[in-house]
Amino acid sequence: QVQLVESGGGVVQPGGSLRLSCAASGFTFSSYGMHWVRQAPGKGLEWVAFIRYDGSNKYYADSVKGRFTISRDNSKNTLYLQMNSLRAEDTAVYYCAKDYLFYFDYWGQGTLVTVSS
Amino acid sequence: NFMLTQPHSVSESPGKTVTISCTRSSGSIASNYVQWYQQRPGSSPTTVIYEDNQRPSGVPDRFSGSIDSSSNSASLTISGLKTEDEADYYCQSYDSSNHWVFGGGTKLTVL
Repeated sequence: QVQLVESGGGVVQPGGSLRLSCAASGFTFSSYGMHWVRQAPGKGLEWVAFIRYDGSNKYYADSVKGRFTISRDNSKNTLYLQMNSLRAEDTAVYYCAKDYLFYFDYWGQGTLVTVSS
Repeated sequence: NFMLTQPHSVSESPGKTVTISCTRSSGSIASNYVQWYQQRPGSSPTTVIYEDNQRPSGVPDRFSGSIDSSSNSASLTISGLKTEDEADYYCQSYDSSNHWVFGGGTKLTVL
């Protein structure tokens, strides 16, 4: 069965950095694109970033472009999100999600990132 | 980029049928498939409809999806409502400029 397990969340000061990880299992990780999606407390879902199966293309929401970097290590079945220059409005639960034909067919349980001084 | 607009909340009684709309702001709703996700409190989203009207295995046939080009909108219909259907529902589509778009979400109350 597909499993996606995020880690790396926590409390960080504004302007700080954090790296999230997503460990994947139960499917051929290297064959699928992957996403990060976030949800601010009490708010809706917001797509953050996508990376193709081989890492050759990456796309970002305008709200994080230039500050966040998505990457993957197919040898470790792991997806990453490097978040720099963090702002209060980046506070959210961050989910990794598997892509299937431009939609999200499996989601992780999420990891909470809190940006606060 | 386009936006997807959903009603903030809907409510209906058990056993009844409810429809949640999702209106695309620009471009044709038929240009890219629409998906629907269910998110129960404290849980991650799960797919209930993909590719406009397809149900993943395990999703009951009480859930159905459709699109209407005349209103440029998609709809999620849940029939025979059960209390376990109470959740937030999000529509989602793909923007051909390599962005993924979510609607704002609709809170379904089954009372």
